[in-house]
Amino acid sequence: NAGVTQTPKFQVLKTGQSMTLQCAQDMNHNSMYWYRQDPGMGLRLIYYSASEGTTDKGEVPNGYNVSRLNKREFSLRLESAAPSQTSVYFCASRGRTETYEQYFGPGTRLTVT
Amino acid sequence: LAKTTQPISMDSYEGQEVNITCSHNNIATNDYITWYQQFPSQGPRFIIQGYKTKVTNEVASLFIPADRKSSTLSLPRVSLSDTAVYYCLVRNNTDKLIFGTGTRLQVFP
Repeated sequence: NAGVTQTPKFQVLKTGQSMTLQCAQDMNHNSMYWYRQDPGMGLRLIYYSASEGTTDKGEVPNGYNVSRLNKREFSLRLESAAPSQTSVYFCASRGRTETYEQYFGPGTRLTVT
Repeated sequence: LAKTTQPISMDSYEGQEVNITCSHNNIATNDYITWYQQFPSQGPRFIIQGYKTKVTNEVASLFIPADRKSSTLSLPRVSLSDTAVYYCLVRNNTDKLIFGTGTRLQVFP
């Protein structure tokens, strides 16, 4: 049981390049999330998916797209990376439990030059 | 969604009790209060959740007054390993889970 996994762990992009961050969970959770965390700051919700086949915008969706490929996987795509997207990206998942507890992945550290 | 306000940072010494208060003035009837802990270079992890009065687990206690407009996370006898950022979230029965800025707790020897 690996929990929430993210790939890659680190990535450096040039301005204008595109890339997809991958996230997978093996806990059979319905809901999945993408957050970003800038240095010294709190987490900000980019997109979330309440169930397979649905996605919704969070606080800061501009510049990103997501795909809920199946129940396990939720990917985040940057179509044209900008230096302002330099951040650590965390994926999380949540099951239908009373506590609404989220489980987070280890993060992807992205630098855009 | 109810907005939360927490102190930006707190300092403590090993062995002391630490209380971190979160203000959530516009909390709704069906909202729960949840706290997470985040260590450097890691994702947050769930600590405790409550609706009213007091909740205690092996890690912390959560105190919620009758009006529920604030809550206090209590960490008994902190150690150096409790140095982390603590987030208070108010959530209802939706999937849109928003984190605030958190409280950076520094524990000194």
